[in-house]
Amino acid sequence: DSGVTQTPKHLITATGQRVTLRCSPRSGDLSVYWYQQSLDQGLQFLIHYYNGEERAKGNILERFSAQQFPDLHSELNLSSLELGDSALYFCASSPSGRIGEQYFGPGTRLTVT
Amino acid sequence: AQSVTQLDSQVPVFEEAPVELRCNYSSSVSVYLFWYVQYPNQGLQLLLKYLSGSTLVKGINGFEAEFNKSQTSFHLRKPSVHISDTAEYFCAVSRLTGNQFYFGTGTSLTVIP
Repeated sequence: DSGVTQTPKHLITATGQRVTLRCSPRSGDLSVYWYQQSLDQGLQFLIHYYNGEERAKGNILERFSAQQFPDLHSELNLSSLELGDSALYFCASSPSGRIGEQYFGPGTRLTVT
Repeated sequence: AQSVTQLDSQVPVFEEAPVELRCNYSSSVSVYLFWYVQYPNQGLQLLLKYLSGSTLVKGINGFEAEFNKSQTSFHLRKPSVHISDTAEYFCAVSRLTGNQFYFGTGTSLTVIP
């Protein structure tokens, strides 16, 4: 158990819908990273937040957005969903000053039908 | 931009044999290098990292990796594998800020009894 929690574990929804994925980092970790893992694209970095501020954006679509709240939990919002958005979405948290030491959550499996 | 190439998508190896998983990267700036492992139905776990100093880094579970700047490689090795090492292995790089990570497509290691 990494100490990072993600909810829900599984999500099935239809095209065009909007969903919110939630991540709670390990206690004391200020950084949260979001990743998308799919068979054809591999593991893609989406976005990084540090203590509520966006630090870096990767291959994140405009239909996707994220935020980190004052209690440090983070949410990834996916809208106008397409079949191709079906994937495993991971969040990871990292302690300050420990580059690369990311602790991954168990992931949310999103299926868009 | 940074990119990571894992040269082998699948590596079968017999138990107690040595293994090497290959990783090459490209970057116009200095980077940090990492290897992560993903066991079935789990998130990723950090195996080892190279930030600076000795080019040979040791990680958990008996794995080690060698950073070769001239060949832009960071190959992962283990002298004797166990059944429990069966998993997906990912090589990753980040810029020195640690804000953004780029992952390879993964190498599936299967240890054969």
